Amino acid sequence: DTAVSQTPKYLVTQMGNDKSIKCEQNLGHDTMYWYKQDSKKFLKIMFSYNNKELIINETVPNRFSPKSPDKAHLNLHINSLELGDSAVYFCASSQVGRAANEKLFFGSGTQLSVL
Amino acid sequence: RKEVEQDPGPFNVPEGATVAFNCTYSNSASQSFFWYRQDCRKEPKLLMSVYSSGNEDGRFTAQLNRASQYISLLIRDSKLSDSATYLCVVIGDDKIIFGKGTRLHILP
Repeated sequence: DTAVSQTPKYLVTQMGNDKSIKCEQNLGHDTMYWYKQDSKKFLKIMFSYNNKELIINETVPNRFSPKSPDKAHLNLHINSLELGDSAVYFCASSQVGRAANEKLFFGSGTQLSVL
Repeated sequence: RKEVEQDPGPFNVPEGATVAFNCTYSNSASQSFFWYRQDCRKEPKLLMSVYSSGNEDGRFTAQLNRASQYISLLIRDSKLSDSATYLCVVIGDDKIIFGKGTRLHILP
C-alpha cells in the first residue's frame, strides 16, 4: 500500500493553462505539505495543512491554491501556468500538527513541465 | 549565513571507504534534526534522526554539535547502493528547512 500517493506523476502543459495535482495519504497523519523542488534540486516548502486548516503559506504566487477536502487529501491547483513553474512537486505528510520533531513521508513527486 | 548549508559535492568515494559530511545551521534555537536520502528522480526518504548524544544505525552514524551548530553523517564500509543525495533537515520555530543536499557517488 502506498502511504502518500500523488497524481499525475508527469504533467506536461502549455503556458497559461490551469492544472491540478492530487495527493492522498493513508497514514492517518494530521498534517500535509506541498514542496517544490526546482532544477537546482532545492526543496522548498509551499504550503502546510493541519486537519484541513492552512498553517504554513510561504511566499507563493496566488496562482497556487491548495485545497484540503479532508485531512487525508491535499490537492494543489495552479492557474495560468508559467515557464518558471516547471519543477517537481512533492506532497508529504507527518503525524504531528506542529513542526517540532516532524518526520516527513513524501509522495513520489509530480514532474511538471510548462512549455 | 544561510539557514541550512551543505557542501553540494559530489563526493566520489571508492566502495568500502568511509565518508562523512556535515551540515551547518544558523538558528541556535533549532530543535530537531534529520538526515534524508534522495535517489535520482525519487522522493526524499527519512534516513535517520539526529540526537544530541549521537546515534548509530548499522553503517550510519549521525551526530549533533550544538555548540558549533552542525550535524554530521558518517557512512562506513560504503556500498554502491549508498550513492544518492543526502539532505539535512533542521526544524526550529515551527519551520522545517531542508539543505540543498550533498551528492555522494560510490565508485566500484
